[in-house]
Amino acid sequence: ETGVTQTPRHLVMGMTNKKSLKCEQHLGHNAMYWYKQSAKKPLELMFVYSLEERVENNSVPSRFSPECPNSSHLFLHLHTLQPEDSALYLCASSQDLWDSGNTIYFGEGSWLTVV
Amino acid sequence: AQTVTQSQPEMSVQEAETVTLSCTYDTSESDYYLFWYKQPPSRQMILVIRQEAYKQQNATENRFSVNFQKAAKSFSLKISDSQLGDAAMYFCAYRRGYGGSQGNLIFGKGTKLSVKP
Repeated sequence: ETGVTQTPRHLVMGMTNKKSLKCEQHLGHNAMYWYKQSAKKPLELMFVYSLEERVENNSVPSRFSPECPNSSHLFLHLHTLQPEDSALYLCASSQDLWDSGNTIYFGEGSWLTVV
Repeated sequence: AQTVTQSQPEMSVQEAETVTLSCTYDTSESDYYLFWYKQPPSRQMILVIRQEAYKQQNATENRFSVNFQKAAKSFSLKISDSQLGDAAMYFCAYRRGYGGSQGNLIFGKGTKLSVKP
């Protein structure tokens, strides 16, 4: 059983839809992350949260909107996406943001297809 | 900016044999961590092994070991006695030694490992 759970595992949405990806970590961690994994690029860090505060936004388009209501949950709200946004979205967590030696634990990802 | 390069898009190994996956990186930092992650078909990224740059001794985890050459900025992964369950994408990753918002993982493009029975 993974310590980081993502739902849904698969999502197909139209370009005018609004949907959300959910991530929950059961590890008591303080830092959470969203990564994007597409076929032609290395994993890209999208957002970083530490103790529920966003500390990094890597030039991600505003059609992606993260939300971290508490240290265990992280959402990625999606609206008016483009077909090129189709990818695997990975959520991850670590004990905290400040010790680079911490292991980052990943969920199984949410496959997003934009049609 | 730091970069991670995996020059082998695909590799194949016979079951029970040994295979080495290559990784090079570029950084001007002296304090950092290097990681190998495995991504099986389930898509969950699983940490295989970790190396602290300040440690000269190569890390080992059971059948997995690394050859860390700091001067050459090389970090290869050796898998001994390969098993069918080792078939996966393997990603090399770099993380700056101090944390904060900039201390995040930078990944290579990955190497797809196939294991033949």
